[in-house]
Amino acid sequence: QVQLQESGPGLVKPSETLSLTCTVSGGSIRNYYWSWIRQPPGKGLEWIGYIFDSGSTNYNPSLKSRVTISVETSKNQFSLKLSSVSAADTAVYYCARTPYSTSSHDYWGQGTLVTVSS
Amino acid sequence: QSVLTQPPSVSGAPGQRVTISCTGSSSNIGAGYDVNWYQQLPGTAPKLLIYGNSNRPSGVPDRFSGSKSGTSASLAITGLQAEDEADYYCQSYDSSLSGSGVFGTGTKVTVL
Repeated sequence: QVQLQESGPGLVKPSETLSLTCTVSGGSIRNYYWSWIRQPPGKGLEWIGYIFDSGSTNYNPSLKSRVTISVETSKNQFSLKLSSVSAADTAVYYCARTPYSTSSHDYWGQGTLVTVSS
Repeated sequence: QSVLTQPPSVSGAPGQRVTISCTGSSSNIGAGYDVNWYQQLPGTAPKLLIYGNSNRPSGVPDRFSGSKSGTSASLAITGLQAEDEADYYCQSYDSSLSGSGVFGTGTKVTVL
């Protein structure tokens, strides 16, 4: 059974960079897209972007200037960096697996709350 | 602001049938991108309910069904049960956003 687990600081100061890692277990990171999705408290889901195991990426245009998603296949991990954060970036951040064949998000991490505050 | 519009809420009595609409445009659903649906129970991560417009992953009850027509899609829940009370989101991709993913605004299903 594939499992995903997000990790990283739960508190980030304004203007700094948010960094999260997703560790994949129970399956290989190869031959899939891997996505980041976030959900501000009490609000809906927002698609952040995805990466293929080759390193090709696609980002939400509204976040593209601040987002970097990378993959480390040897560790079965992929990561999210979001720069110049503000309070509007406070959210639960989810990582998810995205099969190329369906482009859906079939396995999700439990999510991690990141609060942007000084 | 989402490009996929859903009703904020729908409700029904146990055993009834409810439907949730997901209205898009010619650059997403109408462009041929598949629609996926997710169920989010309170305090938990979303769960894939329907993929590829109408396919159910293993383990999802056949009470849940999806369809797509033109620039819209729908999720139907038949034989509504108390445990179906949750938030539901549609999801697709959009060519006007360089093929990036988009989620619907979300619908709260209440079992009366």
